[in-house]
Amino acid sequence: QKEVEQDPGPLSVPEGAIVSLNCTYSNSAFQYFMWYRQYSRKGPELLMYTYSSGNKEDGRFTAQVDKSSKYISLFIRDSQPSDSATYLCAKRGMDSSYKLIFGSGTRLLVRP
Amino acid sequence: SAVISQKPSRDICQRGTSLTIQCQVDSQVTMMFWYRQQPGQSLTLIATANQGSEATYESGFVIDKFPISRPNLTFSTLTVSNMSPEDSSIYLCSVAWELGIGGWDGYTFGSGTRLTVV
Repeated sequence: QKEVEQDPGPLSVPEGAIVSLNCTYSNSAFQYFMWYRQYSRKGPELLMYTYSSGNKEDGRFTAQVDKSSKYISLFIRDSQPSDSATYLCAKRGMDSSYKLIFGSGTRLLVRP
Repeated sequence: SAVISQKPSRDICQRGTSLTIQCQVDSQVTMMFWYRQQPGQSLTLIATANQGSEATYESGFVIDKFPISRPNLTFSTLTVSNMSPEDSSIYLCSVAWELGIGGWDGYTFGSGTRLTVV
């Protein structure tokens, strides 16, 4: 079983829709979680990070962590065509390697 | 956060040859990493580039195939040696930086090197 599982999609939604992207993780030795957005032919860019359970909001984006069920989510409100990209969840443990473990990524298409 | 310049952005190489990828950061960073992203796949860590010492490789990656140099805190290279078509992939440099909360909290990626081996 992979440490971070993510539905690869693709996920296609109309402009203005609320998007829900999800990951599950299997190893409890975590420190915090991140969401990255990757446009085609670009490197991943950090969208959000969170340390604890509950919600963290930043503009149209909300990151949610449920440690009891080992579930992390990213919600995008009022989705725009410019949100079309691949979204990667990642987690990092508190060991000395600072290694990130990524999910496989979910490809999102927001239709005008 | 740091700004990363990675080059070349893409290359097409003959099998059996080697390619060296450069990663330049606009500020001194302690932690630098090299990742591979195969077509349609997620990112896999190849190694941590250590300044002044040998890189730390992940399982499945060896120094003879992916030698890494890190002469200072702003620069690193990754060489893909004796290439085969299976090495066709995107190679990304990444650095870790502090978000102010404590520890290495943010990770910035370069735009990647798209390698095709024919």
